[in-house]
Amino acid sequence: GQQLNQSPQSMFIQEGEDVSMNCTSSSIFNTWLWYKQDPGEGPVLLIALYKAGELTSNGRLTAQFGITRKDSFLNISASIPSDVGIYFCAGGRFTGTASKLTFGTGTRLQVTL
Amino acid sequence: DGGITQSPKYLFRKEGQNVTLSCEQNLNHDAMYWYRQDPGQGLRLIYYSQIVNDFQKGDIAEGYSVSREKKESFPLTVTSAQKNPTAFYLCASTLLGGYSNQPQHFGDGTRLSIL
Repeated sequence: GQQLNQSPQSMFIQEGEDVSMNCTSSSIFNTWLWYKQDPGEGPVLLIALYKAGELTSNGRLTAQFGITRKDSFLNISASIPSDVGIYFCAGGRFTGTASKLTFGTGTRLQVTL
Repeated sequence: DGGITQSPKYLFRKEGQNVTLSCEQNLNHDAMYWYRQDPGQGLRLIYYSQIVNDFQKGDIAEGYSVSREKKESFPLTVTSAQKNPTAFYLCASTLLGGYSNQPQHFGDGTRLSIL
């Protein structure tokens, strides 16, 4: 099955820096989701995007649904140590009676003091 | 509290043994999903169910089986036919229908290892 191209694979940043990651696909999606996963736990939803061009914020996080519907990006501003984890994008094809997600390969974020 | 409960947290399988992973949700969600996660990888879909007594294969269904006898429960059996079962297994659920798409929400996972 398809997995989305997510970059970068990993990044080391200093506390207070801004972070940017993106996700691209060869297919169109009608929903983009961003999740964060801590070690040994399940992914937790950060942001959901439902319209092409949509820009949505959740605290220090901002995500955008690409105009072509084939990509999305996530920005984290002023990173803090608890931002450490793996960030996954997911493209969704939803109808009223069906819901399936395709996941990216993840971006591992490490924050140094 | 409402949520998705997976059990056990850790599970060990012997050669030739079938094991069953539990997933229960009290969110009244319609659809439930099982994913497999290997180290450094994203999530791959094993099986999903959109309604009671019905389920569909995902991308990597071989060696796995599921049932959906109740809306709140979607157990996954890892059979002896699955030759490489060591992985982190995640269950998810979501609402269907309505006026907006609903994202999937996840349990905390079961880590399966071979003895």
